[in-house]
Amino acid sequence: QKEVEQDPGPLSVPEGAIVSLNCTYSNSAFQYFMWYRQYSRKGPELLMYTYSSGNKEDGRFTAQVDKSSKYISLFIRDSQPSDSATYLCAMNQAAGNKLTFGGGTRVLVKP
Amino acid sequence: GAVVSQHPSWVICKSGTSVKIECRSLDFQATTMFWYRQFPKQSLMLMATSNEGSKATYEQGVEKDKFLINHASLTLSTLTVTSAHPEDSSFYICSARSSGIAGQPQHFGDGTRLSIL
Repeated sequence: QKEVEQDPGPLSVPEGAIVSLNCTYSNSAFQYFMWYRQYSRKGPELLMYTYSSGNKEDGRFTAQVDKSSKYISLFIRDSQPSDSATYLCAMNQAAGNKLTFGGGTRVLVKP
Repeated sequence: GAVVSQHPSWVICKSGTSVKIECRSLDFQATTMFWYRQFPKQSLMLMATSNEGSKATYEQGVEKDKFLINHASLTLSTLTVTSAHPEDSSFYICSARSSGIAGQPQHFGDGTRLSIL
């Protein structure tokens, strides 16, 4: 079993819809949680960065962390075709540097 | 802020040659940089952790003599693929985190597509 599980998709939504992404993890030591967006043949771009449990909002993006359930989510409101990409969740422990990634979810936003 | 530049973005070379990839943090100092490899439709696989002024730490199964890492300054790390062969063809990505508090997010370069003929 992988440390971080993420549905590979593809997740196809119409333009304007809410995109809902999530990851589950098994290591309770994870403290920092990130969401990255990766376009084809590009490096990952940091979207959201949260510490411990709670919600964080930035523009159209909302990240949620539920440490008791070992579950994190990313919501994208008013989705646009330019949001079509692969979304990677990542996390690490407070004292460590190494990131543990989910496998990525491919998202397609259709005009 | 937090820009990481990677060069070259794409390289094609003959089997047996060595290829050097540079990773620079442009607007912050990075005590630690990371090198990843990514195969098509797969997630990132950590190859090694590079610390400024010291030897890199390689992940299990990664040949340190094959993938030479140098982190000579707080803004530059290099990965040299020595005696490259077609199976080394892949997408290589570096990342850097700002010096200081543990848990700071990593920022990634745009990757280097390596093709060995």
